[in-house]
Order: sequence, then C-alpha cells, then structure tokens
Amino acid sequence: GQQVMQIPQYQHVQEGEDFTTYCNSSTTLSNIQWYKQRPGGHPVFLIQLVKSGEVKKQKRLTFQFGEAKKNSSLHITATQTTDVGTYFCAGRGNYGQNFVFGPGTRLSVLP
Amino acid sequence: EAGVVQSPRYKIIEKKQPVAFWCNPISGHNTLYWYLQNLGQGPELLIRYENEEAVDDSQLPKDRFSAERLKGVDSTLKIQPAELGDSAVYLCASSFRYGDEQFFGPGTRLTVL
Repeated sequence: GQQVMQIPQYQHVQEGEDFTTYCNSSTTLSNIQWYKQRPGGHPVFLIQLVKSGEVKKQKRLTFQFGEAKKNSSLHITATQTTDVGTYFCAGRGNYGQNFVFGPGTRLSVLP
Repeated sequence: EAGVVQSPRYKIIEKKQPVAFWCNPISGHNTLYWYLQNLGQGPELLIRYENEEAVDDSQLPKDRFSAERLKGVDSTLKIQPAELGDSAVYLCASSFRYGDEQFFGPGTRLTVL
C-alpha cells in the first residue's frame, strides 16, 4: 500500500533560523495536505497542494509539490517560538484512496 | 462556527471493558473520519463516512471495533472488549466533502489498564 515518509523526524533550531521538512510518497499523489499539531493539541490544516511543481506561500511558510507529485516540502523562514509543533503531510493517491499521513517532523525552537 | 466536538476527552478503563467515543462534526460536513494516533506518530485512518455510509473501513479491526453514523450527522466509535494496545488518542475529523481540508476534533485519550 501507499507509504508516506517524512524527514527529519526531529529538528531543533535556534529562533531565527530556517527549517525545512520533506515528505516522500511511495506512489504518485493526486494531492497533498499539510497539518500542524501543537504539543497536546490536534492537527490543524495548513494548506493543500494539487498541481505538479506547485509552490504556495503563507507568510513565512513556503510549500512545494514536486514535479513528479511524489514529494513535497515545507520551509519556514526565520522560525519563531510559535512555530513549535509537529508538522504532518498527508498524501492521497490517484485512485481515490484515503489520505495517508506521514509520521511527522517535530520542530523545537530555542529562544 | 463551532468546531468538531468529541467526548469524552479522557477515558481510563480496564482491559476487556467496553468503551465508546462520540463525535459531532461541523454542521454541513458530509465526510467524517475516525483516526487513531499513537504517541509520536501520525494519525491512522480507521473509518471514513460519506453521509451515513461507511465507504472505507478496511483499517478498522472489526473483531472488536464498530462504528456508526446514524442520520449522517454525529458518529460513535466503540471498542469491545478493549485491549492494552488500544491505548491511544482517537481523533474525529470532518470535511465538507472528501478531499477538502479536514477539521479535527480535540480527540479522546484512551488509557487501557
């Protein structure tokens, strides 16, 4: 079945440094969603990517969907302590499959 | 607009006991999901409903788990009997239609002793 992996598993950064997490699927995706989960909280939707090579920005966050639609990335510029949490990607296959969540990347930001 | 509501928030039971979780999705959302989330992992889908129909329950351990969504609104997930390995957070999510952004509830943290 479809597998979604994320790297790194953990990332510790100093406040102000940049951060990137990568999401890789074993199969081609129709679309991908990104979620953020604060410690003790529940996943909150950030964005959805649909088109090959698509790039979307939300303030300091930049999301990219790979040309082959098998990978995606989330880049945060100049991290802040409010960025702390676990970032999950969730990919859906081309044949109506359910979204499969990756294991997440846990971000710690040191002030 | 009210978000996804789940209850209870926490539940502690002994193994072999039954337990039930309740979810009320956002009004008007046709798609409802039940996920299981273990510590340090991503949510894993248990079952997806389109209105009142369970369209994907392939990951639901049917020997002990059951779910229903009567009238296509709120939903109940039941475990009977519970096992130690069922300890996890059970998340409910809803979306207006399948493929849209998912809105998650706060989850029910289950501890089986």
